[in-house]
Amino acid sequence: SQQGEEDPQALSIQEGENATMNCSYKTSINNLQWYRQNSGRGLVHLILIRSNEREKHSGRLRVTLDTSKKSSSLLITASRAADTASYFCATAHFSGGYNKLIFGAGTRLAVHP
Amino acid sequence: DAGVIQSPRHEVTEMGQEVTLRCKPISGHDYLFWYRQTMMRGLELLIYFNNNVPIDDSGMPEDRFSAKMPNASFSTLKIQPSEPRDSAVYFCASRVTGNGANVLTFGAGSRLTVL
Repeated sequence: SQQGEEDPQALSIQEGENATMNCSYKTSINNLQWYRQNSGRGLVHLILIRSNEREKHSGRLRVTLDTSKKSSSLLITASRAADTASYFCATAHFSGGYNKLIFGAGTRLAVHP
Repeated sequence: DAGVIQSPRHEVTEMGQEVTLRCKPISGHDYLFWYRQTMMRGLELLIYFNNNVPIDDSGMPEDRFSAKMPNASFSTLKIQPSEPRDSAVYFCASRVTGNGANVLTFGAGSRLTVL
């Protein structure tokens, strides 16, 4: 399967702490994206990192990509209760003339006040 | 823009009934995707369209599932007959060419329960 795999499956932290989620994948990619899903809602795109990039920042988010290890990490700094959600990595694979996006199983993050 | 709009948000039906889920993509987006989300299998890509034409339906689980996109602003996913194992949240997503990175905008989903 080309599906990305996140770990941990669930993460529980206190407000103000940092949260780190990891994603591993199996085949070469064009880019890797992270999405957030609040309970009962659709997925929302957070950040994208291309295969030739190693690190990217967006506000309190920091993403790293190690193509040699086929892995990525998402760091949320100074977490807030509003960050409570499921986080998914999605890998873009060029297939059939199109960048097919395959999602991992997600990490459920709970941030406690 | 109102985003990707899906209906119904919730559907409860009995086994054997026909189910139709609807999606209105963002205006100007020329790609439309249908995903299914379950606890067991996560997010699965069912089918996607480009300029209203189905490009890849390899994720459609079986012949009971069909999808159409009669115009650029409307798509349906139909299950006939429905079975309890079809219970899931079905998401529609869209993107625009030129967004070469394939960043998707998702709708809020349609939660289907088949009894």
